[in-house]
Amino acid sequence: QKEVEQDPGPLSVPEGAIVSLNCTYSNSAFQYFMWYRQYSRKGPELLMYTYSSGNKEDGRFTAQVDKSSKYISLFIRDSQPSDSATYLCAMSASGQNFVFGPGTRLSVLP
Amino acid sequence: GAVVSQHPSRVICKSGTSVKIECRSLDFQATTMFWYRQFPKQSLMLMATSNEGSKATYEQGVEKDKFLINHASLTLSTLTVTSAHPEDSSFYICSATTGTTPVDEQFFGPGTRLTVL
Repeated sequence: QKEVEQDPGPLSVPEGAIVSLNCTYSNSAFQYFMWYRQYSRKGPELLMYTYSSGNKEDGRFTAQVDKSSKYISLFIRDSQPSDSATYLCAMSASGQNFVFGPGTRLSVLP
Repeated sequence: GAVVSQHPSRVICKSGTSVKIECRSLDFQATTMFWYRQFPKQSLMLMATSNEGSKATYEQGVEKDKFLINHASLTLSTLTVTSAHPEDSSFYICSATTGTTPVDEQFFGPGTRLTVL
């Protein structure tokens, strides 16, 4: 079993839809969770960072962590074509040495 | 936010030649730099971790003699692909961290696309 798993997609949604992106993990020691966005042929950029369980909201983006289920989610409200990218989750036990998921490719259709 | 640059952005070389890729942190000192390889539609695969002034730590399965990493200063790390072959064609991305706590965010470079003919 891989340490971090993500559905690779592609996930196609119409503009304005609510998008749900998810990762599952096996290491119960993980407590730092990040979501990165990677546009085609570019390096990833940090979107959201959460610590331990709970929710965090930033504009149209909401990150959720459920440590009991070892499951994290990123929700995108009112999705836009500019949100089309690959979304990678990353997690760590210590705040260092993050482990990345394989990424989910999202396509928001105008 | 912190900026990381990579040079070149794209390189095409002949099989058997060596290629050097530079990774620079432009506005901060990077305690640690990471090198990743990413094949089309696949995840980032960590190749090695390097700290300034010390030898890089390579991930299992990565040939240290083929992928030479030099972390000469707190703002520069280089990856040299020696005797490149077509199977080395990939997207190489570096990242750098500032060593802050409790979360050491990685700042990624824009990547270098290597094509070996």
